[in-house]
Amino acid sequence: QVQLVQSGAEVKKPGASVKVSCKASGYTFTSAYMNWVRQAPGQGFEWMGVLNPSSGTTVYAQKFQGRVTMSRDTSTSTVYMELSSLRSEDTAVYYCARHYSRTTWGVEVDYFDYWGQGTLVNVSA
Amino acid sequence: SYELTQPPSVSVSPGQTARITCSGDTLSKKYAYWYQQKSGQAPVLVIYEDSKRPSGIPERFSGSRSGTMATLTISGAQVEDEADFYCYSRDSSGNHLFGGGTKLTVL
Repeated sequence: QVQLVQSGAEVKKPGASVKVSCKASGYTFTSAYMNWVRQAPGQGFEWMGVLNPSSGTTVYAQKFQGRVTMSRDTSTSTVYMELSSLRSEDTAVYYCARHYSRTTWGVEVDYFDYWGQGTLVNVSA
Repeated sequence: SYELTQPPSVSVSPGQTARITCSGDTLSKKYAYWYQQKSGQAPVLVIYEDSKRPSGIPERFSGSRSGTMATLTISGAQVEDEADFYCYSRDSSGNHLFGGGTKLTVL
């Protein structure tokens, strides 16, 4: 079965960086894009970006351009999300989410079919 | 603000039918998806492509879409269905859109 297992909670000071990992299993790692989505306390979801594990190509949300870096290690089926210049507003649970997509009869289908358990990043002085 | 609009809360008694709506212009052209998020847990997909249920999701969960509105229906809601529910879709530019979430209370 598909499993996405993320690294543990982090506490960081403003200005620092954090790197969160997401280890995939139960499917061919390079067959599906991986997204990162965050959820601030009591808030909704915010898409941060996506990584193609096969090529390493990334697309980042404009809001995070210059601060986020997504990468992967195909030998361990792990993707990483690093966020720099942390501020208090970055306090959130960060999720990796596998991307399912196909196009049938010209109709696009794409959504997040599996999610990691989440990693709390607490940014506090 | 969110481009997909959901009611903040819905409350039903056990065994009643709960309906959660999601409205947005993109839904006139794009599929709707629904995620259930129980307290402290990761989201779980409960409906995809408007009305399909993933394996393991109870039959009491169903979905529909008409015009610019999608609806998640839980027929005979159970106490264990209490959670936050989020709709999701994409817009024509490829942006990922989430609704603001609806807290379902079953008591």
